[in-house]
Amino acid sequence: AQSVAQPEDQVNVAEGNPLTVKCTYSVSGNPYLFWYVQYPNRGLQFLLKYITGDNLVKGSYGFEAEFNKSQTSFHLKKPSALVSDSALYFCAVRGNNAGNMLTFGGGTRLMVKP
Amino acid sequence: KAGVTQTPRYLIKTRGQQVTLSCSPISGHRSVSWYQQTPGQGLQFLFEYFSETQRNKGNFPGRFSGRQFSNSRSEMNVSTLELGDSALYLCASSLIGEQFFGPGTRLTVL
Repeated sequence: AQSVAQPEDQVNVAEGNPLTVKCTYSVSGNPYLFWYVQYPNRGLQFLLKYITGDNLVKGSYGFEAEFNKSQTSFHLKKPSALVSDSALYFCAVRGNNAGNMLTFGGGTRLMVKP
Repeated sequence: KAGVTQTPRYLIKTRGQQVTLSCSPISGHRSVSWYQQTPGQGLQFLFEYFSETQRNKGNFPGRFSGRQFSNSRSEMNVSTLELGDSALYLCASSLIGEQFFGPGTRLTVL
């Protein structure tokens, strides 16, 4: 069975500071990893994905994520946070033989204060 | 290209009733997945359809069912509604790899 853990329910950061949202995963075989963002009363918006290749993945809106196989982590990062980045962030994993079934973490609320 | 559309956006039902939700995927996408989002359980996978066949199924009771049509549009049905079925139901379509989500249908069961 595959699983995702997001250890922080909420992350607070000041505007302009770097941010990190943590994610660890468990899956058989090579993982396909994703980050999504959700704004109030909206569906999920795709940010970035890791399938294979470079461990540092760049995505939308200046976000990037670092894949670490030994630590089974896929932390989301941004060098300089914006107030408009405040939202709910979800990490997800898909196994090799799971079709398109995603297993999501519990979500982390990011609050960026001016 | 139009995104994933879901209808209706909001729905209020009473316990015991049944409900049908609709999802139109992005043109050309053949895979449609459904997820339930609740404050307590988070995002949980319901099922996935590909070329009119159910490819994966999550751990939900048989009251939850779905189908996919030849034009890739999908419906999900929940029978004998319970209060705990109140949730945001999200549909996602996929061509290769990443999934694109619709805005969801907010179901409230009274």
